[in-house]
Amino acid sequence: DQQVKQNSPSLSVQEGRISILNCDYTNSMFDYFLWYKKYPAEGPTFLISISSIKDKNEDGRFTVFLNKSAKHLSLHIVPSQPGDSAVYFCAAGFSGSARQLTFGSGTQLTVLP
Amino acid sequence: NAGVTQTPKFQVLKTGQSMTLQCAQDMNHEYMSWYRQDPGMGLRLIHYSVGAGITDQGEVPNGYNVSRSTTEDFPLRLLSAAPSQTSVYFCASTASGGETQYFGPGTRLLVL
Repeated sequence: DQQVKQNSPSLSVQEGRISILNCDYTNSMFDYFLWYKKYPAEGPTFLISISSIKDKNEDGRFTVFLNKSAKHLSLHIVPSQPGDSAVYFCAAGFSGSARQLTFGSGTQLTVLP
Repeated sequence: NAGVTQTPKFQVLKTGQSMTLQCAQDMNHEYMSWYRQDPGMGLRLIHYSVGAGITDQGEVPNGYNVSRSTTEDFPLRLLSAAPSQTSVYFCASTASGGETQYFGPGTRLLVL
């Protein structure tokens, strides 16, 4: 049973528009959430994170929202750029235990010029 | 600063062969992990280490062995390769007290 789910395998967005990537989790004990970005033939790279004590975290064009009651988080990219085209993985874990992350299956984002 | 390096980049094995996937990091990170990525499955944790001499199993450890004799290196051994082990393998490291994992570029393994 997947504890972290990304139900959309792919998403296409026009350049300049907002991209919204979604992630759901089932384990209410998770208290730390991360988004990773992956280009083909490369390893995942850290993008942004959020602790369960917050409901929003911003870093430039990237914002992560956490809804604990719904066990749902989302990544907003505004404005989307063609260079944002990649696979985005959502991951969840426990603060202080960075070695054990549970990843979602990923969403392929394509930003169309 | 090389970060996390993995070798080889690509490998083809026959069923029953053994091999070692190498992983090294130069950031003096205490925590290191191995993941496999399969289509539709995301990344799944195979084994991890919290420091030299200490390893533990992750979600999918069967068929794999690890050891951590130094802080820098964390090799993953396949003792008898099976087609089900065809995957892309990623090594990652994290600083003590840190929350972010830094990934290597991956090793693509094909078992025939």
